[in-house]
Amino acid sequence: GIQVEQSPPDLILQEGANSTLRCNFSDSVNNLQWFHQNPWGQLINLFYIPSGTKQNGRLSATTVATERYSLLYISSSQTTDSGVYFCAVGRGAGNQFYFGTGTSLTVIP
Amino acid sequence: NAGVTQTPKFQVLKTGQSMTLQCAQDMNHNSMYWYRQDPGMGLRLIYYSASEGTTDKGEVPNGYNVSRLNKREFSLRLESAAPSQTSVYFCASSGGTSGSFSGANVLTFGAGSRLTVL
Repeated sequence: GIQVEQSPPDLILQEGANSTLRCNFSDSVNNLQWFHQNPWGQLINLFYIPSGTKQNGRLSATTVATERYSLLYISSSQTTDSGVYFCAVGRGAGNQFYFGTGTSLTVIP
Repeated sequence: NAGVTQTPKFQVLKTGQSMTLQCAQDMNHNSMYWYRQDPGMGLRLIYYSASEGTTDKGEVPNGYNVSRLNKREFSLRLESAAPSQTSVYFCASSGGTSGSFSGANVLTFGAGSRLTVL
């Protein structure tokens, strides 16, 4: 399978601060997604971004597929951003998805 | 639209008991997945079904069986539960089929099922 590494594993921010989360993967992929798992355990898709850059409000993501990494930017963080952020990658027939171990974000007021 | 619905939400089993986790999606997605989530280990794929009538093993299939009953439903069965199967189980679906590289391959997750095996 594809190895997915996320960094940092844990992050504590003051409300209003910015942050960058990183996802490295070990092989070429044609599907990359970022998810947020809220404190109640629900997994929400943030971005489908196999390449390029996308923005959605205070969040943006960039994937450089040729260098096998993706970045998730959170600006002006809010307490509701707390939770775990996962990167998932996929390749080939059947679209298996491999997940990283996540970045646990805590935003304090 | 309910999206992806999993049942039950919570279950406690004794070692050796069997049970089936049910999953249904109403988005007309072709592909469905079962993942388990353990502390510090992210989500690991147990089984997946790229399309109706097909199933394949993922990273951690031992001790599990699956059935793709129809396009909407994908069940996960534990025949003889073990304490190592204590976990949170997530079902997911996506619109893509085998070989499809379109943006329809966005994963949508159910709310999860917390299973404890004593």
